[in-house]
Amino acid sequence: RKEVEQDPGPFNVPEGATVAFNCTYSNSASQSFFWYRQDCRKEPKLLMSVYSSGNEDGRFTAQLNRASQYISLLIRDSKLSDSATYLCVVIPSGGSYIPTFGRGTSLIVHP
Amino acid sequence: EPEVTQTPSHQVTQMGQEVILRCVPISNHLYFYWYRQILGQKVEFLVSFYNNEISEKSEIFDDQFSVERPDGSNFTLKIRSTKLEDSAMYFCARGQAMNTEAFFGQGTRLTVV
Repeated sequence: RKEVEQDPGPFNVPEGATVAFNCTYSNSASQSFFWYRQDCRKEPKLLMSVYSSGNEDGRFTAQLNRASQYISLLIRDSKLSDSATYLCVVIPSGGSYIPTFGRGTSLIVHP
Repeated sequence: EPEVTQTPSHQVTQMGQEVILRCVPISNHLYFYWYRQILGQKVEFLVSFYNNEISEKSEIFDDQFSVERPDGSNFTLKIRSTKLEDSAMYFCARGQAMNTEAFFGQGTRLTVV
């Protein structure tokens, strides 16, 4: 059973579009959630943390749904530079804090 | 500006050899991590290091691997008796605590031939 699941995509969208990704997790005791972006053959870079109340950073909005055990990332007004792989990361609570990464969702923004 | 500096950027080694990957944190953080990412696969946690000792390690981090912070600055990952399947990107990262965000270095690409 996969602990953190993401639709691999690719999501192919035009500039200016709004796109949303979901990430489901299996461990109900998970306590910390993050979205990273990763460009091809580069290191993951923190995009945003995900808070229980939801949070927004410019064009990016992250939400957490504990009842259904998923987090989401919404990107508004997509730019060409948003093309990347978006990684979901989940950290459990209660003894072990080993983070689990999803395999990522690929986004391609075209002109 | 990288959060940590990793050297070398690319290492090619023969199967069975030992390699040492190095990481130098830019800022003063307490937690350091090693992750690996096999080409085309997800990022996998290897080990966390706090206060000069291992805090947690994954199933991947077996006797073939070891970590050290020999001089209080550099943080190293040693891989003994390398196998072809050890070929991957190895990322060092730093963080404030185990359950907070991690900031990654640019990685070392290890190729075992």
